[in-house]
Amino acid sequence: EAGVTQFPSHSVIEKGQTVTLRCDPISGHDNLYWYRRVMGKEIKFLLHFVKESKQDESGMPNNRFLAERTGGTYSTLKVQPAELEDSGVYFCASSQSGGNQPQHFGDGTRLSIL
Amino acid sequence: GENVEQHPSTLSVQEGDSAVIKCTYSDSASNYFPWYKQELGKRPQLIIDIRSNVGEKKDQRIAVTLNKTAKHFSLHITETQPEDSAVYFCAARRGGYQKVTFGTGTKLQVIP
Repeated sequence: EAGVTQFPSHSVIEKGQTVTLRCDPISGHDNLYWYRRVMGKEIKFLLHFVKESKQDESGMPNNRFLAERTGGTYSTLKVQPAELEDSGVYFCASSQSGGNQPQHFGDGTRLSIL
Repeated sequence: GENVEQHPSTLSVQEGDSAVIKCTYSDSASNYFPWYKQELGKRPQLIIDIRSNVGEKKDQRIAVTLNKTAKHFSLHITETQPEDSAVYFCAARRGGYQKVTFGTGTKLQVIP
């Protein structure tokens, strides 16, 4: 079974530019999550999709971040325009439906804003 | 919202010794507590989890304990090996929700 895959693995952009991160969950997983780890701090929740619907987006930092999951398969997270404080590692995770299913993480995208 | 605190932030042990990482949580409605291990440059991997109806769970050299009254849970690694070196994250999830709140991580170094 293929795990959660994320692309790119590393992105370096300048402040003010736009970046789009992609996540392909494990096949059949309805739940998809985005998390972020900034500068050695905790892994912080950004948002949660159930299929194509945003179930919880309480962790999204501001309106420069836009997440989509059209068709309920892969998801994208766009940052526009990027700011210095957006640097960090962005993780995607997925899980099956049902209570207390474990979340499986991808390798993350390391985003560096210059 | 939920707040998870994790200690220590770094931990060095000699190979063969035990390592203990402690976490506390604030939301009494949390009922699921996973632990993740993240090796350098790799993805966080679920290594063990415990639900609130259980006080202790063991899997080979790894064990977790949960004290619901005190809102404490801990990870115990016995007979540590160099390959146990990694960052360990505790986490908590509230019943009925999918969002997981993580601790700040513990960098474990096992010295051969």
